[in-house]
Amino acid sequence: GQQVQQSPASLVLQEGENAELQCNFSSTATQLQWFYQSPGGSLVSLLSNPSGTKHTGRLTSTTVTKERRSSLHISSSQTTDSGTYLCAIEANTNKVVFGTGTRLQVLP
Amino acid sequence: EAAVTQSPRSKVAVTGGKVTLSCHQTNNHDYMYWYRQDTGHGLRLIHYSYVADSTEKGDIPDGYKASRPSQENFSLILELASLSQTAVYFCASRDRGANSDYTFGSGTRLLVI
Repeated sequence: GQQVQQSPASLVLQEGENAELQCNFSSTATQLQWFYQSPGGSLVSLLSNPSGTKHTGRLTSTTVTKERRSSLHISSSQTTDSGTYLCAIEANTNKVVFGTGTRLQVLP
Repeated sequence: EAAVTQSPRSKVAVTGGKVTLSCHQTNNHDYMYWYRQDTGHGLRLIHYSYVADSTEKGDIPDGYKASRPSQENFSLILELASLSQTAVYFCASRDRGANSDYTFGSGTRLLVI
């Protein structure tokens, strides 16, 4: 089945530094989304980016469909960015497969 | 405000007992999903539904049933709860469009003893 691998598994930054999160997937994706899970467990969708580059606020996602990879860049990290970032893909099945996430800790 | 509400927020169940997790959405979304989350496994899809009165098996459906009696409601049923079903369960809804965003509930922490 489809597999989604994220790296690094964890990342520790000082506030103000930039973060680069990677997502690699095993099959062609018709949909790719990045999610944020707070330390308390709540999940929110950050952005949807099946191909190309997309910006929202301090977040930039670049997806290279042919190479089956996507990245999420967080600029000028803040302590409130701490949490887990999940990548999820969807093929032609309407089933979404999640990666295991990158746990980000931003220190003051 | 559009939302996905799960109940209960947490539950302790006895092995072999029946557990029902409920999910209600006010988003008017067609698609609804049930995921479980375990440490080290991310989110895994249990059951999902495209439309009321119809459900589909996800990647790990064994030991679970689902029910979608209306567009707004989607339940996950554990007929005979087992220790291995201890996890956090998330419900989500999504619109029909290809790039539509997911809206997640706040999760249900289930402990089976």
